[in-house]
Amino acid sequence: QSALTQPASVSGSPGQSITISCTGTSSDVGSYNLVSWYQQHPGKAPKLMIYEVSKRPSGVSNRFSGSKSGNTASLTISGLQAEDEADYYCCSYAGPRFLVFGGGTKLTVL
Amino acid sequence: QVTLKESGPVLVKPTETLTLTCTVSGFSLSNARMGVSWIRQPPGKALEWLAHIFSNDEKSYSTSLKSRLTISKDTSKSQVVLTMTNMDPVDTATYYCARTAGGGSGPYYFDYWGQGTLVTVSS
Repeated sequence: QSALTQPASVSGSPGQSITISCTGTSSDVGSYNLVSWYQQHPGKAPKLMIYEVSKRPSGVSNRFSGSKSGNTASLTISGLQAEDEADYYCCSYAGPRFLVFGGGTKLTVL
Repeated sequence: QVTLKESGPVLVKPTETLTLTCTVSGFSLSNARMGVSWIRQPPGKALEWLAHIFSNDEKSYSTSLKSRLTISKDTSKSQVVLTMTNMDPVDTATYYCARTAGGGSGPYYFDYWGQGTLVTVSS
């Protein structure tokens, strides 16, 4: 079970859109529509932002969206806001009964 | 209201066994669609999934740590317990428990998290 690959950092200005990629393999991201994304502010527990590739939990802004193509999943944040500055982690089911996280991406709002 | 809270020692010595307890409320550990996972995060590093327990008491473990981990639950007490043997300084991390969706074929994703507990391994 190797960790999923995410860029170490991304940045954007308020109002812009950014996309964070999450690359796995045909054994995890590529095989299952079970990618989730988590936002983590410093010193806080992670928060579920996207599940099953593109579904948003109740209460999560529609500025957050997810997608997948082949072995790569993506999280897009539109209309970037200062409060979006955080670490973001992807996670994928890697069957049978295993989960694997990405290495995390630090989002900086300029 | 779903809540999870981790408890356990803040400091353990190398070679000792760590025992952490996750006390949940707002849902039942016998709910067929839910389970509980443990995840850890070393300071400044990424999240790492450790183990999961299903409502039917089946378990799954991270391949790399499987030999050191045991997860169990007491449904009547709404508690999930994780033990990790032979602790080492590299195991210093914040340990989280999280409610996990996925039914019998999961785990799939974590919808509620505890606040986490920092465990330091040092002599």
